[in-house]
Amino acid sequence: GAGVSQSPSNKVTEKGKDVELRCDPISGHTALYWYRQSLGQGLEFLIYFQGNSAPDKSGLPSDRFSAERTGGSVSTLTIQRTQQEDSAVYLCASSLACFIGQGCDQPQHFGDGTRLSIL
Amino acid sequence: SQQGEEDPQALSIQEGENATMNCSYKTSINNLQWYRQNSGRGLVHLILIRSNEREKHSGRLRVTLDTSKKSSSLLITASRAADTASYFCATPLGGATNKLIFGTGTLLAVQP
Repeated sequence: GAGVSQSPSNKVTEKGKDVELRCDPISGHTALYWYRQSLGQGLEFLIYFQGNSAPDKSGLPSDRFSAERTGGSVSTLTIQRTQQEDSAVYLCASSLACFIGQGCDQPQHFGDGTRLSIL
Repeated sequence: SQQGEEDPQALSIQEGENATMNCSYKTSINNLQWYRQNSGRGLVHLILIRSNEREKHSGRLRVTLDTSKKSSSLLITASRAADTASYFCATPLGGATNKLIFGTGTLLAVQP
């Protein structure tokens, strides 16, 4: 079956522009996560969706970052007024649902990411 | 920072040798997971070990967990050039979130 799909795979844009990144999770996966991977920072959590709601958006770096998920499926991460420090690889992952309150024991399935470069 | 630490940061071995990577974490856990990342690709889940397990095997992979020391190790036996990748340990944060806290990663190079 199809894995997690992210688009675009690469995005180069000028500072100050808005960008929209898309994630198509594995069918049936109700949990969806966004992470950011950059040199020197490792893998940083951004936001977690369970269905269409986001119980944890604590990793979003600023109010320029927002994300939504519709129909319990596709998610978009939007970065407004991009800055050079936003340059990174943005990774999306999905998993089956986990029990709230316990450490999730469902493996996360990752897409290949969107490599974002801000000039 | 909640991020775990891994060592070594980089490891270079010859094909056929074993590779061992270590991970330390900071909080009490329900389970610990290992992921592999090939260059330019996403992460691939390798193995999950629960907090009540001490050792787990999957093919050429062997994972150990010592909750008293908050540490885990990943052993890859009889390594192949195709094992060249970065390896990350990750622990799930409980509560209202299911996010993973990743270690800093070990870059493994297997020379043919």
